[in-house]
This record gives sequence, structure tokens and C-alpha cells, in this order.
Amino acid sequence: DGGITQSPKYLFRKEGQNVTLSCEQNLNHDAMYWYRQDPGQGLRLIYYSQIVNDFQKGDIAEGYSVSREKKESFPLTVTSAQKNPTAFYLCASSIRPGNTEAFFGQGTRLTVV
Amino acid sequence: GNSVTQMEGPVTLSEEAFLTINCTYTATGYPSLFWYVQYPGEGLQLLLKATKADDKGSNKGFEATYRKETTSFHLEKGSVQVSDSAVYFCALYQAAGNKLTFGGGTRVLVKP
Repeated sequence: DGGITQSPKYLFRKEGQNVTLSCEQNLNHDAMYWYRQDPGQGLRLIYYSQIVNDFQKGDIAEGYSVSREKKESFPLTVTSAQKNPTAFYLCASSIRPGNTEAFFGQGTRLTVV
Repeated sequence: GNSVTQMEGPVTLSEEAFLTINCTYTATGYPSLFWYVQYPGEGLQLLLKATKADDKGSNKGFEATYRKETTSFHLEKGSVQVSDSAVYFCALYQAAGNKLTFGGGTRVLVKP
């Protein structure tokens, strides 16, 4: 079945460590996105990519980094520079950038311990 | 910039009650509007969308009409079920900026 897969589902990080969240899609979608979800708040865009080897900062990119070396993969690294990383992270993809349906993964819950 | 405002939850209803979730937006031009639903422990799923003024999106008994004059896209369902318990997000897409902007989400709890 086609879909978008995030791993791991739960992730614990010590202060000062970098961690990488995985996002893979087999939908042949060009566009991929990373959102952060905090309790009681909407989704905020971290980074997005419209095409392989290209990505753009979203609204809250500070302390995060991404790569898009392959069409199907868009990993997110939460660096030690991110001051408040504990959150629910959602990856999404769409067939192309625009007003088309975005398909979401099941999310990764990151907790700093 | 663009923004989406939703009514705060939680909204608690009995089964077969009528559901309305208000959504208003701020944007220039003519954005596309969406409702997404998030069931417990899952990612978001597209529920319905409308791409131009006066369009009505509908799916699974839910409806929403794109009202340009009131910049609104309220979600309605005539008779909710326990399985409709979820968080509902209103969102807009505008080509300038090339991103989806989400509201804060409204949690709906339907009791038997």
C-alpha cells in the first residue's frame, strides 16, 4: 500500500543531543513537509521541499535541519540549538506544491529528558 | 500574513446531535480552504476542501461552504456518531507563500 511512514513513533533525547526523525513516502510525491504540533496549537511549518535537492525554511526553522537527497525521503534533524524540542512532529507529502491534498504520516513524539 | 482562527474546544456532544465548528480566515486573494481530521494517535487526514468562493465541500456527512464575504468555512454535520470524536483542523492554502496554514484545532468528543 502507498503511504507515508514516520519513524520512530516515540523518541527520547537528552539535552544537547541531535536527533534525526525519519520520513519516507512511496506515493511518488514531489512535495514534502515537516510540521510541529504543540498541545492546543495548530500545526506550524518547519521546512518544506518542492523537489529533490531543494528545500525551504518554514515559519519555525531555527534549530532544525533537513535534507532531500532522494524523492522518497525527507529526514528532519532536531539540533541542540532547538531550545524547546519536546513536541509532536508530523511529516506530510503532496503530489505537487499547491492546493492538493496533503497526506500525513502517523507522527513522531519527541521528548527531551 | 495568512491566519486561520477556529473555535476553541473541547466540544462535547451527544450522539445524533448537530455539530458546527466555526472557522474564519485572514488572507489576501482567493485561498483554497480545507478541513482535516486527526483521530487519536494518528496523523491528519483530509476531510473536505473548497477551492473557490461559494463552493461546498462535503464528505462522510460533513459539509463546509466557502464564504468569501464573511471569510469563513464553518464545518457542519447533521448527526454525529461516537466515531466522529477527533480533532478537526481548518486550513488554507495560498500560492503566495506556498504552504498550508492551520488553525489551532478543535477537539470534538461525542458521547453515546
